[in-house]
Amino acid sequence: QVQLVESGGGVVQPGRSLRLSCAASGFTFSSYTMHWVRQAPGKGLEWVALISYDGSNKYYADSVKGRFTISRDNSKNTLYLQVNSLRAEDTAVYYCARSTVTTYGNWFDPWGQGTLVTVSS
Amino acid sequence: DIQMTQSPSSLSASVGDRVTITCRASQSISSYLNWYQQKPGKAPKVLIYDASSLQSGVPSRFSGSGSGTDFTLTISSLQPEDFATYYCQESYSTSSITFGQGTRLEIK
Repeated sequence: QVQLVESGGGVVQPGRSLRLSCAASGFTFSSYTMHWVRQAPGKGLEWVALISYDGSNKYYADSVKGRFTISRDNSKNTLYLQVNSLRAEDTAVYYCARSTVTTYGNWFDPWGQGTLVTVSS
Repeated sequence: DIQMTQSPSSLSASVGDRVTITCRASQSISSYLNWYQQKPGKAPKVLIYDASSLQSGVPSRFSGSGSGTDFTLTISSLQPEDFATYYCQESYSTSSITFGQGTRLEIK
């Protein structure tokens, strides 16, 4: 079945880095745009970044631009998010999600189960 | 960037009630609007895409309407499993995506 599994979260000190991974299975990963979306504890959903199917186009939310880098390895069916210069406000569950394109834009399905990043000294 | 404003931010209702949640965009987004349901500790699940298309497997008591700047999600007869948080999401721009702030639907 179509599945996304995130890993790489944890507790990290402010200013440090992490690399999050999202392993995809059950579909042709190399054909889909992929996204990262985060959710701070008790808060709403915030889109973080997207990468086109071939990695040629990448876009970021203003809140993470210059600190986060999205990438993918289609040979490994894996999506990544390199998160640098972490701040307390980056504490969140990070979800990866596949983009489904329809007549009007795109929507996310499926989502992974999420990986928690906690930034704390 | 496009701003999405949902109302209300929270709502108390009873099983069997008809419930409407609204989402307003800061500029016209045509029908580039999706709705999600999220339960505690779980990833969101899409309910409605393209403003009014029901995702496969989603009960028909859910419906969406609107275009331009004003959209609604309606649950025709609330069931116990519908108590959750609902988010709208626009995808008008190819380079960014915005979610509404969410509507928490609670049992009265």
